[in-house]
Amino acid sequence: AQSVTQLGSHVSVSEGALVLLRCNYSSSVPPYLFWYVQYPNQGLQLLLKYTTGATLVKGINGFEAEFKKSETSFHLTKPSAHMSDAAEYFCAVTPNFGNEKLTFGTGTRLTIIP
Amino acid sequence: GAGVSQSPSNKVTEKGKDVELRCDPISGHTALYWYRQSLGQGLEFLIYFQGNSAPDKSGLPSDRFSAERTGGSVSTLTIQRTQQEDSAVYLCASSLGQGVNNSPLHFGNGTRLTVT
Repeated sequence: AQSVTQLGSHVSVSEGALVLLRCNYSSSVPPYLFWYVQYPNQGLQLLLKYTTGATLVKGINGFEAEFKKSETSFHLTKPSAHMSDAAEYFCAVTPNFGNEKLTFGTGTRLTIIP
Repeated sequence: GAGVSQSPSNKVTEKGKDVELRCDPISGHTALYWYRQSLGQGLEFLIYFQGNSAPDKSGLPSDRFSAERTGGSVSTLTIQRTQQEDSAVYLCASSLGQGVNNSPLHFGNGTRLTVT
């Protein structure tokens, strides 16, 4: 079974500051890991994913995440926050053998302080 | 192009009534998912359709929940004899169906269901 824990249901950062959203996963098999983002009044969309290969993955809008197997983590970062980054962010996991069911975390709402 | 469309956007119903939630996926997407998001909870998988294969119903919480997908396109999620604990946002997503690692899910804006 897989599970995802997102630490902090709400995170606030100042514009221009580092964004760090935490995600830890539990999986009995090698995982695929994802971050989805939901902007206000929009549906969730894929931000980035880790499947195989390079453990540091880059996504849209300057976000990146690093898969750390030893820490079972997949934290999302962005060096400099922008007002448009205000949204809810969801981490998700699935086994790497074709399971089509993504298991999502509870989400982190990111607020950007001007 | 058009994204995933869900209707209604909001639904208020009385306990014990049946409700139907509709999802129009992106044209050409063979995979369709239903998820539920309750207050303070993550997205909970309900059901998955892929082409003409039998759907994966393993996430449906009770036999009051059912879903169908007609003609490989539009899907309807039906909840019979609604209970207050069914109150949630019901999200539909579709994809090209080449595996979640290859085909990102495209989500609709959801239907907010309130059972009074």
